[in-house]
Amino acid sequence: DSGVTQTPKHLITATGQRVTLRCSPRSGDLSVYWYQQSLDQGLQFLIQYYNGEERAKGNILERFSAQQFPDLHSELNLSSLELGDSALYFCASSPSGLGETQYFGPGTRLLVL
Amino acid sequence: EDQVTQSPEALRLQEGESSSLNCSYTVSGLRGLFWYRQDPGKGPEFLFTLYSAGEEKEKERLKATLTKKESFLHITAPKPEDSATYLCAVQAGGYNKLIFGAGTRLAVHP
Repeated sequence: DSGVTQTPKHLITATGQRVTLRCSPRSGDLSVYWYQQSLDQGLQFLIQYYNGEERAKGNILERFSAQQFPDLHSELNLSSLELGDSALYFCASSPSGLGETQYFGPGTRLLVL
Repeated sequence: EDQVTQSPEALRLQEGESSSLNCSYTVSGLRGLFWYRQDPGKGPEFLFTLYSAGEEKEKERLKATLTKKESFLHITAPKPEDSATYLCAVQAGGYNKLIFGAGTRLAVHP
Protein backbone atom coordinates (compact mmCIF):
# COMPACT_ATOMS: atom_id res chain seq x y z
CA ASP A 1 0.00 0.00 0.00
CA SER A 2 1.60 3.24 -1.21
CA GLY A 3 -0.56 5.50 0.96
CA VAL A 4 -2.06 7.21 -2.10
CA THR A 5 -5.80 6.69 -2.46
CA GLN A 6 -7.96 7.12 -5.53
CA THR A 7 -11.71 6.98 -6.04
CA PRO A 8 -13.63 5.56 -7.72
CA LYS A 9 -11.90 2.34 -8.73
CA HIS A 10 -14.05 1.90 -11.80
CA LEU A 11 -16.13 4.33 -13.83
CA ILE A 12 -18.36 3.53 -16.80
CA THR A 13 -19.92 6.42 -18.67
CA ALA A 14 -21.11 7.49 -22.11
CA THR A 15 -19.53 9.67 -24.76
CA GLY A 16 -20.07 13.38 -24.20
CA GLN A 17 -20.33 13.04 -20.43
CA ARG A 18 -18.18 14.58 -17.71
CA VAL A 19 -16.53 12.72 -14.81
CA THR A 20 -14.39 13.62 -11.81
CA LEU A 21 -11.58 11.46 -10.47
CA ARG A 22 -10.33 12.02 -6.95
CA CYS A 23 -6.91 11.49 -5.38
CA SER A 24 -5.57 11.83 -1.84
CA PRO A 25 -1.76 11.98 -1.59
CA ARG A 26 0.42 10.31 1.01
CA SER A 27 0.48 12.09 4.33
CA GLY A 28 2.94 14.99 4.14
CA ASP A 29 3.30 15.00 0.35
CA LEU A 30 2.70 18.36 -1.31
CA SER A 31 3.01 17.32 -4.96
CA VAL A 32 0.35 15.41 -6.86
CA TYR A 33 0.80 14.08 -10.38
CA TRP A 34 -1.76 12.66 -12.80
CA TYR A 35 -0.88 10.04 -15.42
CA GLN A 36 -2.90 8.26 -18.08
CA GLN A 37 -2.17 4.67 -19.10
CA SER A 38 -3.67 3.31 -22.28
CA LEU A 39 -2.75 0.15 -24.17
CA ASP A 40 -1.18 1.98 -27.11
CA GLN A 41 0.43 4.92 -25.29
CA GLY A 42 1.80 3.49 -22.07
CA LEU A 43 2.05 5.74 -19.03
CA GLN A 44 1.83 9.43 -20.00
CA PHE A 45 2.20 12.41 -17.69
CA LEU A 46 -0.77 14.75 -17.66
CA ILE A 47 -0.28 17.42 -15.00
CA GLN A 48 1.39 18.21 -11.65
CA TYR A 49 0.19 20.32 -8.75
CA TYR A 50 2.33 21.48 -5.86
CA ASN A 51 0.70 22.83 -2.71
CA GLY A 52 -2.37 23.97 -4.59
CA GLU A 53 -0.69 25.45 -7.64
CA GLU A 54 -0.17 24.00 -11.10
CA ARG A 55 3.54 23.22 -11.50
CA ALA A 56 3.88 21.34 -14.80
CA LYS A 57 1.74 20.30 -17.73
CA GLY A 58 2.16 17.36 -20.05
CA ASN A 59 0.04 16.10 -22.92
CA ILE A 60 -3.20 17.02 -21.24
CA LEU A 61 -6.18 17.67 -23.50
CA GLU A 62 -8.07 20.96 -23.22
CA ARG A 63 -11.16 18.91 -22.27
CA PHE A 64 -9.30 17.78 -19.14
CA SER A 65 -8.60 19.94 -16.11
CA ALA A 66 -7.37 19.42 -12.59
CA GLN A 67 -7.05 21.20 -9.29
CA GLN A 68 -5.54 20.67 -5.87
CA PHE A 69 -7.46 21.76 -2.80
CA PRO A 70 -6.21 23.25 0.49
CA ASP A 71 -6.31 19.83 2.14
CA LEU A 72 -4.00 18.69 -0.74
CA HIS A 73 -6.38 16.23 -2.33
CA SER A 74 -6.68 16.60 -6.08
CA GLU A 75 -9.39 16.11 -8.65
CA LEU A 76 -9.06 15.41 -12.36
CA ASN A 77 -12.04 16.50 -14.41
CA LEU A 78 -12.64 14.91 -17.80
CA SER A 79 -15.34 16.43 -20.01
CA SER A 80 -16.89 15.81 -23.43
CA LEU A 81 -15.65 12.27 -23.11
CA GLU A 82 -14.69 10.29 -26.19
CA LEU A 83 -14.18 6.56 -26.68
CA GLY A 84 -10.43 7.14 -26.82
CA ASP A 85 -10.41 8.52 -23.29
CA SER A 86 -10.97 5.00 -21.95
CA ALA A 87 -7.85 4.24 -19.92
CA LEU A 88 -6.40 3.80 -16.48
CA TYR A 89 -5.82 7.09 -14.68
CA PHE A 90 -3.21 7.14 -11.95
CA CYS A 91 -2.40 9.69 -9.34
CA ALA A 92 1.06 9.82 -7.74
CA SER A 93 2.50 11.93 -4.96
CA SER A 94 5.89 13.04 -3.65
CA PRO A 95 7.08 15.38 -0.87
CA SER A 96 7.90 18.24 -3.23
CA GLY A 97 9.12 17.33 -6.70
CA LEU A 98 12.48 17.23 -8.38
CA GLY A 99 14.47 14.03 -8.08
CA GLU A 100 12.02 12.46 -5.69
CA THR A 101 10.35 9.10 -5.90
CA GLN A 102 6.71 9.30 -6.90
CA TYR A 103 4.36 6.84 -5.20
CA PHE A 104 1.35 5.74 -7.22
CA GLY A 105 -2.22 5.08 -6.23
CA PRO A 106 -4.28 2.07 -7.34
CA GLY A 107 -5.81 3.95 -10.26
CA THR A 108 -9.26 4.61 -11.69
CA ARG A 109 -10.31 2.53 -14.68
CA LEU A 110 -12.47 4.65 -16.98
CA LEU A 111 -14.57 3.06 -19.68
CA VAL A 112 -16.37 5.34 -22.13
CA LEU A 113 -19.13 3.64 -24.11
CA GLU B 1 13.73 14.66 -27.20
CA ASP B 2 13.92 12.68 -23.95
CA GLN B 3 13.36 8.99 -24.57
CA VAL B 4 13.29 5.74 -22.61
CA THR B 5 13.49 2.33 -24.30
CA GLN B 6 13.06 -0.97 -22.52
CA SER B 7 14.05 -4.41 -23.76
CA PRO B 8 12.99 -7.07 -24.20
CA GLU B 9 9.27 -6.33 -24.55
CA ALA B 10 8.47 -9.70 -23.02
CA LEU B 11 10.52 -12.32 -21.23
CA ARG B 12 9.63 -15.84 -20.22
CA LEU B 13 11.78 -17.54 -17.59
CA GLN B 14 11.76 -20.81 -15.77
CA GLU B 15 11.74 -20.57 -12.00
CA GLY B 16 15.34 -20.13 -10.84
CA GLU B 17 16.58 -18.93 -14.24
CA SER B 18 18.33 -15.57 -13.67
CA SER B 19 18.19 -12.80 -16.26
CA SER B 20 18.41 -9.03 -16.80
CA LEU B 21 16.05 -6.38 -18.10
CA ASN B 22 17.43 -3.35 -19.92
CA CYS B 23 16.41 0.30 -19.84
CA SER B 24 18.28 2.67 -22.14
CA TYR B 25 17.66 6.39 -21.96
CA THR B 26 18.44 9.55 -23.90
CA VAL B 27 17.82 12.60 -21.74
CA SER B 28 19.33 15.96 -20.98
CA GLY B 29 20.36 16.21 -17.36
CA LEU B 30 19.26 13.01 -15.62
CA ARG B 31 17.77 13.75 -12.20
CA GLY B 32 16.84 10.20 -11.35
CA LEU B 33 16.03 6.79 -12.82
CA PHE B 34 13.19 4.82 -11.29
CA TRP B 35 12.12 1.18 -11.49
CA TYR B 36 8.55 0.15 -10.80
CA ARG B 37 6.71 -3.14 -10.84
CA GLN B 38 3.13 -3.21 -12.13
CA ASP B 39 0.65 -6.06 -11.81
CA PRO B 40 -2.34 -6.16 -14.23
CA GLY B 41 -4.91 -3.48 -13.41
CA LYS B 42 -2.89 -2.16 -10.46
CA GLY B 43 -0.82 0.94 -9.83
CA PRO B 44 2.96 0.94 -10.35
CA GLU B 45 4.76 -0.22 -7.20
CA PHE B 46 8.05 1.53 -6.46
CA LEU B 47 11.17 -0.63 -6.47
CA PHE B 48 14.33 1.51 -6.80
CA THR B 49 15.66 5.01 -7.42
CA LEU B 50 19.13 5.51 -8.92
CA TYR B 51 20.76 8.91 -9.24
CA SER B 52 24.26 8.54 -10.61
CA ALA B 53 26.33 6.23 -12.81
CA GLY B 54 27.83 3.36 -10.87
CA GLU B 55 25.06 3.30 -8.30
CA GLU B 56 23.51 -0.07 -7.39
CA LYS B 57 20.49 -0.96 -5.28
CA GLU B 58 19.30 -4.38 -4.13
CA LYS B 59 16.08 -5.79 -2.75
CA GLU B 60 15.51 -9.51 -2.29
CA ARG B 61 16.02 -11.12 -5.73
CA LEU B 62 16.27 -7.79 -7.57
CA LYS B 63 19.30 -5.63 -8.22
CA ALA B 64 19.29 -2.39 -10.19
CA THR B 65 22.38 -0.80 -11.71
CA LEU B 66 22.95 2.46 -13.57
CA THR B 67 25.44 3.62 -16.22
CA LYS B 68 25.51 6.89 -18.15
CA LYS B 69 23.26 5.51 -20.86
CA GLU B 70 21.32 2.59 -19.41
CA SER B 71 20.08 0.75 -16.39
CA PHE B 72 19.73 -2.95 -15.76
CA LEU B 73 17.33 -4.79 -13.49
CA HIS B 74 18.89 -8.12 -12.61
CA ILE B 75 16.58 -10.86 -11.36
CA THR B 76 18.32 -13.70 -9.53
CA ALA B 77 16.60 -17.06 -9.15
CA PRO B 78 13.14 -15.67 -9.94
CA LYS B 79 9.94 -17.14 -8.57
CA PRO B 80 6.47 -17.20 -10.18
CA GLU B 81 5.40 -14.33 -7.92
CA ASP B 82 7.97 -12.12 -9.69
CA SER B 83 5.78 -12.26 -12.80
CA ALA B 84 4.70 -8.68 -13.62
CA THR B 85 5.47 -5.78 -15.93
CA TYR B 86 8.61 -3.91 -14.94
CA LEU B 87 8.63 -0.22 -15.80
CA CYS B 88 11.59 2.09 -16.05
CA ALA B 89 11.16 5.87 -15.81
CA VAL B 90 13.44 8.90 -15.82
CA GLN B 91 13.18 12.39 -14.47
CA ALA B 92 15.31 14.89 -16.36
CA GLY B 93 16.20 18.53 -16.66
CA GLY B 94 14.06 20.91 -14.68
CA TYR B 95 10.95 18.80 -15.03
CA ASN B 96 9.24 16.82 -12.30
CA LYS B 97 7.35 14.51 -14.64
CA LEU B 98 8.39 10.90 -15.10
CA ILE B 99 9.04 9.68 -18.65
CA PHE B 100 8.22 6.00 -18.80
CA GLY B 101 9.42 3.23 -21.05
CA ALA B 102 6.90 0.78 -22.47
CA GLY B 103 7.85 -1.87 -19.91
CA THR B 104 9.03 -5.47 -19.94
CA ARG B 105 6.41 -8.16 -19.31
CA LEU B 106 8.04 -10.89 -17.26
CA ALA B 107 6.50 -14.34 -16.87
CA VAL B 108 8.18 -16.84 -14.53
CA HIS B 109 6.98 -20.41 -14.86
CA PRO B 110 7.37 -23.16 -12.22
